[in-house]
Amino acid sequence: NAGVIQTPRHKVTGKGQEATLWCEPISGHSAVFWYRQTIVQGLEFLTYFRNQAPIDDSGMPKERFSAQMPNQSHSTLKIQSTQPQDSAVYLCASNRLGEGAETLYFGSGTRLTVL
Amino acid sequence: GEQVEQRPPHLSVREGDSAIIICTYTDSATAYFSWYKQEAGAGLQLLMSVLSNVDRKEEQGLTVLLNKKDKRLSLNLTAAHPGDSAVYFCAVSANMGYKLTFGTGTSLLVDP
Repeated sequence: NAGVIQTPRHKVTGKGQEATLWCEPISGHSAVFWYRQTIVQGLEFLTYFRNQAPIDDSGMPKERFSAQMPNQSHSTLKIQSTQPQDSAVYLCASNRLGEGAETLYFGSGTRLTVL
Repeated sequence: GEQVEQRPPHLSVREGDSAIIICTYTDSATAYFSWYKQEAGAGLQLLMSVLSNVDRKEEQGLTVLLNKKDKRLSLNLTAAHPGDSAVYFCAVSANMGYKLTFGTGTSLLVDP
């Protein structure tokens, strides 16, 4: 079991560029979650997919951020026109059908730095 | 919305001592409770989770206590060792069961 895989581990972009972050959930897991971690705000929920369908994106900034899950094996988080305040560690997690939020398996995260 | 306070922000103990971290939450509908460990440069590792019908759970040197009346959740590392040095987060979720609200983290240092 390789765990949740996130790529890249580190990404540096210039202000105004686009960043795409990838997440491969644990095989057999039907739910995928995205969280953002910063020193100032701590860990914040962004969005959640179940069986590839978007369920709740209430934590996503309304502009520039989008997330997709085109198949069971990966999800992407795309940030358009990145800004310095988007710099954070973006964490992806997954769990099985029937497991609640108390049991999430996190990846190692992607550290995004916007210069 | 849910508010979670975690204390202390920093904790230093000697090897073999206990380390206790406490979280308080505000939403009485909170039903899911977890503790995570984050080592430097790594993601979050689930340590233990409990549902609201559990008051106490022990596993492998860790004890989680849940006091629903006081809306307080605690993690006790008995006989801490240097490998326990990390940042610890509590996380709670209300009835929706999928959106976690995290505490602010406790940086634990265990001196050999």
